[in-house]
Amino acid sequence: NAGVTQTPKFQVLKTGQSMTLQCAQDMNHNSMYWYRQDPGMGLRLIYYSASEGTTDKGEVPNGYNVSRLNKREFSLRLESAAPSQTSVYFCASLGQVGETQYFGPGTRLLVL
Amino acid sequence: SQQGEEDPQALSIQEGENATMNCSYKTSINNLQWYRQNSGRGLVHLILIRSNEREKHSGRLRVTLDTSKKSSSLLITASRAADTASYFCATDAAAGNKLTFGGGTRVLVKP
Repeated sequence: NAGVTQTPKFQVLKTGQSMTLQCAQDMNHNSMYWYRQDPGMGLRLIYYSASEGTTDKGEVPNGYNVSRLNKREFSLRLESAAPSQTSVYFCASLGQVGETQYFGPGTRLLVL
Repeated sequence: SQQGEEDPQALSIQEGENATMNCSYKTSINNLQWYRQNSGRGLVHLILIRSNEREKHSGRLRVTLDTSKKSSSLLITASRAADTASYFCATDAAAGNKLTFGGGTRVLVKP
């Protein structure tokens, strides 16, 4: 099993450009999450999907949209990137409530 | 706002010494989890402790949970240079299955 995979690994954008970060898991997990991590800080939840077909806002949703394409895939879209969105983005999945989340390797995003 | 606050923010020890870090949180929880992150890498799950548990061990790791004080501690015994990393606590709050992370403790183990 590959676990949780993310693409791309690294991206540079100009202010105002758009892009989609992709995440996929092969563990048949119901719940998926997007976090951002700024330098020297912990992770903050952007959006999550408790099950296929549902999405909800987390702590810092402004400037982002998500799509739960199917049970495996959960994408994060930046419609108009801003320098404040420079961060490392992590996707995670959860099999059962109360268990541990599994994290992808992260996407480093730099917005100029 | 961050549910978990970690203390200390940074820790430097010699190989072979023990490292202890603490996490405090604000609301009631289902469980508390500890993760490790090596520089520039993803998160690795270490231990999950449920709200009805007081102590848990995994190899050289020992985690305690005091729900009355809303605090947890992570002890790494006989530290190694490979333990150099940032350590994060994350709480799974009673209201749902979303994790809220603390700011982390950066541990440097000197050979």
